[in-house]
Amino acid sequence: GQNIDQPTEMTATEGAIVQINCTYQTSGFNGLFWYQQHAGEAPTFLSYNVLDGLEEKGRFSSFLSRSKGYSYLLLKELQMKDSASYLCAVRVHTGGFKTIFGAGTRLFVKA
Amino acid sequence: DSGVTQTPKHLITATGQRVTLRCSPRSGDLSVYWYQQSLDQGLQFLIQYYNGEERAKGNILERFSAQQFPDLHSELNLSSLELGDSALYFCASSQLLAGGYNEQFFGPGTRLTVL
Repeated sequence: GQNIDQPTEMTATEGAIVQINCTYQTSGFNGLFWYQQHAGEAPTFLSYNVLDGLEEKGRFSSFLSRSKGYSYLLLKELQMKDSASYLCAVRVHTGGFKTIFGAGTRLFVKA
Repeated sequence: DSGVTQTPKHLITATGQRVTLRCSPRSGDLSVYWYQQSLDQGLQFLIQYYNGEERAKGNILERFSAQQFPDLHSELNLSSLELGDSALYFCASSQLLAGGYNEQFFGPGTRLTVL
């Protein structure tokens, strides 16, 4: 089966750095995405990894290790507006291309 | 604003009824995806259309069906509604069928409440 695990909740302090981990067991791996979702709103795209390594995009970085089935999202210089759910999603190629989302990690940023 | 529009924003109906959710993708996007998000649940992929054809199917119930029209807008039909169908239904669109970056842009969602 296809499975994606990420912590349910995390709390961090404004200005700090937080790392949100994601592990996956899937077949037909075709890329990993991170999305941000504020409560009651649509998910918005943050990052995409298909090869091993680190992708940096401003305050956000995402890392992928395909051999370990592992990714993390790193958020630097946390701001209050970063309080949201962060969704790890894996695209697989099985009977068409499908994107499987993890349950999300709810991040609380405190002052 | 992602450029993806969904109507209606809210829908309240009774068990056993049938509803239709509508989605217009971003200009130029050929792929449309439907997702269901129940309370405290992750996004569940339902189905994908590309340029009018069904291309991938997830855990979509037989009571649910979808289609994509020649103007590329899509509709998700939910019938014989049950209490458990209450959820946020998101539509997303992307340029390509698959592969590469092909990020998905999500609409604001339709909140369905079945009473």
